[in-house]
Amino acid sequence: SQQGEEDPQALSIQEGENATMNCSYKTSINNLQWYRQNSGRGLVHLILIRSNEREKHSGRLRVTLDTSKKSSSLLITASRAADTASYFCATDAKTGGFKTIFGAGTRLFVKA
Amino acid sequence: GAVVSQHPSWVICKSGTSVKIECRSLDFQATTMFWYRQFPKQSLMLMATSNEGSKATYEQGVEKDKFLINHASLTLSTLTVTSAHPEDSSFYICSAANAGTPEETQYFGPGTRLLVL
Repeated sequence: SQQGEEDPQALSIQEGENATMNCSYKTSINNLQWYRQNSGRGLVHLILIRSNEREKHSGRLRVTLDTSKKSSSLLITASRAADTASYFCATDAKTGGFKTIFGAGTRLFVKA
Repeated sequence: GAVVSQHPSWVICKSGTSVKIECRSLDFQATTMFWYRQFPKQSLMLMATSNEGSKATYEQGVEKDKFLINHASLTLSTLTVTSAHPEDSSFYICSAANAGTPEETQYFGPGTRLLVL
């Protein structure tokens, strides 16, 4: 069963605005990762944040992790039309061995 | 970066036939490969974890006799959808974990779109 839930399910913003997506999970984790998927395509790995980290940056991306609340957020600053995609968080559950469970995803639409 | 390929990229078949999908890690050895299924506008659902040289571990609700997984080498895993039916139509994605890297990053294939008529 899926571990993560994300909100919002869909987000529509204007180019140049910031986009924030949230992810919650249920069990203890080693790390949390964010992925991007263009429609009907494979996944692109964006960023990994470990359970002992609270914030991480990569270009226009900023990820936070709050293990006490079992939640994470992905912020995309100065969004571009090319950022239009689905974004998924994924966690590696500490139980059941090494496997990655994906959240439901947020569909982001950036209007030019 | 590490590259994972899938073949075929899309397949259309008649109901009742079997379809084999290949997942290859092109420039690294993958001790573990994962198979996911994704229905339209939904997330990826883990189907099974495949370890080289051993039997795959299937997630609850996934029929192992219907979705046969073989991981015969460190660079190749195959998923065979046996006696496919229209409800098996989906986007199948594999990923490979690079045993040589310190981080637990999976590299995903481009996916295989299966349409069963």
